[in-house]
Amino acid sequence: QKEVEQDPGPLSVPEGAIVSLNCTYSNSAFQYFMWYRQYSRKGPELLMYTYSSGNKEDGRFTAQVDKSSKYISLFIRDSQPSDSATYLCASYSGGGADGLTFGKGTHLIIQP
Amino acid sequence: DAEITQSPRHKITETGRQVTLACHQTWNHNNMFWYRQDLGHGLRLIHYSYGVQDTNKGEVSDGYSVSRSNTEDLPLTLESAASSQTSVYFCASSQGLPEEAFFGQGTRLTVV
Repeated sequence: QKEVEQDPGPLSVPEGAIVSLNCTYSNSAFQYFMWYRQYSRKGPELLMYTYSSGNKEDGRFTAQVDKSSKYISLFIRDSQPSDSATYLCASYSGGGADGLTFGKGTHLIIQP
Repeated sequence: DAEITQSPRHKITETGRQVTLACHQTWNHNNMFWYRQDLGHGLRLIHYSYGVQDTNKGEVSDGYSVSRSNTEDLPLTLESAASSQTSVYFCASSQGLPEEAFFGQGTRLTVV
């Protein structure tokens, strides 16, 4: 079983809707949690990251981590067609251990 | 502007041949990573380096090797290409902790 699980979708929502993207993880050592966005045929780009549990907001994006349930969420408010992409969650334990452990990614489609 | 570049962007090679994929970054980052991305598997770590002369195996390192002779470059070598190594390969770099990794545009490798 992969250490970070993510529903691959596709997830299709109308423009302006609130989008909720989710991941679960199994490794209790994970301390850092990231969301990357990947457009077709491009490299992933970091959206935001959080350390340990809690929320972090950046514009229309909010990342949420609940370590007690090992649950990672990304919320997108006022979704736009330009938000259509694959969203990858990733985790890292820190302390010089292995690189990022990624989920498989969720393909998001925002319908105009 | 600083950047990370991969070359070639596309390559077709034959089974059994040695192939080297280049990765060059101009941020002077200590950390560099190689991932492969496949449908159904997401991004998986192949090798990583935390500095010159330092290399480490990742989750799927069999059949691959890397060397780090300077800060800017981390070439990935497939010793004897196999069809199972057909994939999109991404190089990434970060300064300090891996949670702020910047990715290249990817190399699409086909082994026939």
